[in-house]
Amino acid sequence: DAMVIQNPRYQVTQFGKPVTLSCSQTLNHNVMYWYQQKSSQAPKLLFHYYDKDFNNEADTPDNFQSRRPNTSFCFLDIRSPGLGDAAMYLCATSVDQGNQPQHFGDGTRLSIL
Amino acid sequence: QKEVEQNSGPLSVPEGAIASLNCTYSDRGSQSFFWYRQYSGKSPELIMSIYSNGDKEDGRFTAQLNKASQYVSLLIRDSQPSDSATYLCAAGPGGYQKVTFGTGTKLQVIP
Repeated sequence: DAMVIQNPRYQVTQFGKPVTLSCSQTLNHNVMYWYQQKSSQAPKLLFHYYDKDFNNEADTPDNFQSRRPNTSFCFLDIRSPGLGDAAMYLCATSVDQGNQPQHFGDGTRLSIL
Repeated sequence: QKEVEQNSGPLSVPEGAIASLNCTYSDRGSQSFFWYRQYSGKSPELIMSIYSNGDKEDGRFTAQLNKASQYVSLLIRDSQPSDSATYLCAAGPGGYQKVTFGTGTKLQVIP
């Protein structure tokens, strides 16, 4: 089945220690998104790629970076995680921007020690 | 600030009843609307997309859109305990602008 796959499912890191989350897709979708979701809150868009074009949200901290080396893969790098970065990180894809529905991976639960 | 508003709930309904979930949006230019189901600790799962005024049915689910009132709803018929989850409403303005998610309504179906 075509899917959006996130690894790892659970990630524990130390305060200030860089961490990378990965996302891959077999849907061949043009757009890949990274969201942060905290308990009882709406998913918060961090950034997205339309093909190779990177689009950063204005309020995304500089601590968060992303890479999309090819159509299938996208990475979220957190350079110096703080306690406030503990959250579920969701990767999603869509065929195109705008009116297309987004399909989510299973998420990565990030904990900060 | 584009907003999507949902009652956080919990909305409790007995098994077999109709659950009605509501959502309002502030951006009158919104073109696309989505309902996602999110189980606790899991990621959102797309249930329905709706783009035109009126009703759209898919199995036990019916999405209703009223653009004049800026109102979207999701009806779940014959509710089952397995429907117990948080339901996220999302609105998209179209073009290259981002989709905005609501904070979700928690549904509890009581056996």
